[in-house]
Amino acid sequence: DAGVTQSPTHLIKTRGQHVTLRCSPISGHKSVSWYQQVLGQGPQFIFQYYEKEERGRGNFPDRFSARQFPNYSSELNVNALLLGDSALYLCASSFTGGNQETQYFGPGTRLLVL
Amino acid sequence: GESVGLHLPTLSVQEGDNSIINCAYSNSASDYFIWYKQESGKGPQFIIDIRSNMDKRQGQRVTVLLNKTVKHLSLQIAATQPGDSAVYFCAEFASGYSTLTFGKGTMLLVSP
Repeated sequence: DAGVTQSPTHLIKTRGQHVTLRCSPISGHKSVSWYQQVLGQGPQFIFQYYEKEERGRGNFPDRFSARQFPNYSSELNVNALLLGDSALYLCASSFTGGNQETQYFGPGTRLLVL
Repeated sequence: GESVGLHLPTLSVQEGDNSIINCAYSNSASDYFIWYKQESGKGPQFIIDIRSNMDKRQGQRVTVLLNKTVKHLSLQIAATQPGDSAVYFCAEFASGYSTLTFGKGTMLLVSP
């Protein structure tokens, strides 16, 4: 069975540019969450989507946005990139995104902003 | 690959030893906890979970203990192997919330 997949695996951008990261959840999972992991720290929650609706948002600026498609895949968009946006961006999927529901992570997209 | 463990607490053990990784959480409303293993360059991998109505749960070579009185979790790995070398995170769900909050992580280094 395929797990959570993310693309691209690595990305290099310059300050001010925008980026789109993609995620496909585990088959049968309808919820996708996005996390940012800065080197040396634990992942931090950015967004959660369920059935194309935003269910939760972490403490990130409006430069970060996301959406979920009818097939439950998701995109994370970051505008006006800053050096500090360099991180591993992780996508996690779960059945409904409900409380007390295990989230399974993809391999991440490593973003480097120069 | 690059390390995800810079500036993290590190536990160094010999192959075959038992390892204990600790985690303190701050939210007394948290009622579901997960341990993840993250190898360099990869995403977190689910190891074991525990709900707040339990104080112990066992898996294959792993045991999680939960002490709600002092808000403490531990992950015990029996007969540690070099393949267990990774960063280990505890993560929690607060009651009524569906987002995970991660701890700082501990790097486990296993020497052959």
